[in-house]
Amino acid sequence: KQEVTQIPAALSVPEGENLVLNCSFTDSAIYNLQWFRQDPGKGLTSLLLIQSSQREQTSGRLNASLDKSSGRSTLYIAASQPGDSATYLCAVLSGSARQLTFGSGTQLTVLP
Amino acid sequence: DARVTQTPRDKVTEMGQEVTMRCQPILGHNTVFWYRQTMMQGLELLAYFRNRAPLDDSGMPKDRFSAEMPDATLATLKIQPSEPRDSAVYFCASGFGGQETQYFGPGTRLLVL
Repeated sequence: KQEVTQIPAALSVPEGENLVLNCSFTDSAIYNLQWFRQDPGKGLTSLLLIQSSQREQTSGRLNASLDKSSGRSTLYIAASQPGDSATYLCAVLSGSARQLTFGSGTQLTVLP
Repeated sequence: DARVTQTPRDKVTEMGQEVTMRCQPILGHNTVFWYRQTMMQGLELLAYFRNRAPLDDSGMPKDRFSAEMPDATLATLKIQPSEPRDSAVYFCASGFGGQETQYFGPGTRLLVL
């Protein structure tokens, strides 16, 4: 059974800092990995999707990397802003049923 | 701006009552997912459909939960009878194909007293 772990569970940084969120998964036979953002009381918004054959994806100030063999992914946020404050969830698509398995998330607070 | 819609947004009910949650996937998407989110368990997949056919509902308590897609524009999740432990936020998501991004609705926040 696929398990996804995110570290840290919570992170507080001053505005302008670069930061890294970590995600690990137990079964490396994945189709893809996604990073989502969830704002309080809202649904999830997909930020980046990395296919299993890719090593990284970039969107604006966000860069996600994937090391499938070691079961790890990182989300790098450059020059953080208060508007980046949210919970960031990592999810992997795997299994014959192609199910998304989510981590428990990292709650990010960027202080002005 | 295409988006997944869910109704109701909030539902408070008493134990034993039937609860029906509805989801309208993005037009053209052929895959629909139901998730449940709680503080303790995080996000869990309950069921999903492709081309309206149920592919996997192993995450769903079969005795009280049921999920259907009467047509391509509507997915429903029913709980009968509801229990306090069903209190959670229920998300619907839609996508196209098997490896593409899933688009999430705003969720239905359910409280069973």
